[in-house]
Amino acid sequence: GAVVSQHPSWVICKSGTSVKIECRSLDFQATTMFWYRQFPKQSLMLMATSNEGSKATYEQGVEKDKFLINHASLTLSTLTVTSAHPEDSSFYICSAPPRAGQPQHFGDGTRLSIL
Amino acid sequence: AQKITQTQPGMFVQEKEAVTLDCTYDTSDQSYGLFWYKQPSSGEMIFLIYQGSYDEQNATEGRYSLNFQKARKSANLVISASQLGDSAMYFCAMREKRGSTLGRLYFGRGTQLTVWP
Repeated sequence: GAVVSQHPSWVICKSGTSVKIECRSLDFQATTMFWYRQFPKQSLMLMATSNEGSKATYEQGVEKDKFLINHASLTLSTLTVTSAHPEDSSFYICSAPPRAGQPQHFGDGTRLSIL
Repeated sequence: AQKITQTQPGMFVQEKEAVTLDCTYDTSDQSYGLFWYKQPSSGEMIFLIYQGSYDEQNATEGRYSLNFQKARKSANLVISASQLGDSAMYFCAMREKRGSTLGRLYFGRGTQLTVWP
């Protein structure tokens, strides 16, 4: 079964709304969580790495104030897209580093559409 | 420089035939891992196969095998006996042992595989 749970799976909202996406590790503790963004027919682009109990590390070019990341506990990381605009529409997917001998675990992703 | 290169934007294969998806990588690490993931139109990332840099045998998982050529830095995915359900985007990815972000995967651009009857 799924080891990383991501919610919601899809969101449609008006421009200017803030949207929160949750990523939970189900049966293990994840001190780190990776957040990726994917445009149609393109690869996954790492946006940021969340770290439990400390600030997230953002990749170059990613707006920290636009994409707020919080890793409040060992099982929950959240990505908040603040004041979302149509250009923020994309597929967002989280991933947890693997346990020993396991492949990388991914959430099922969130399709965000901003009208 | 690109860490993972997938040169085939799209591939077509007839059902029951084998197909090879190309992947080359670039790293100075001695210890690294190579992954292949399948992403259907629904979006989830499905793990297919893993090859460690120190593994001497090519990895196999059912109909999937990884043709690992370390000197050439290539890690091609071979899908045997293609099925219609194999139609999807396929990503090659690498995880380096060292580096500032343990566990981070570097992805290629992907190859869209279409299996036709």
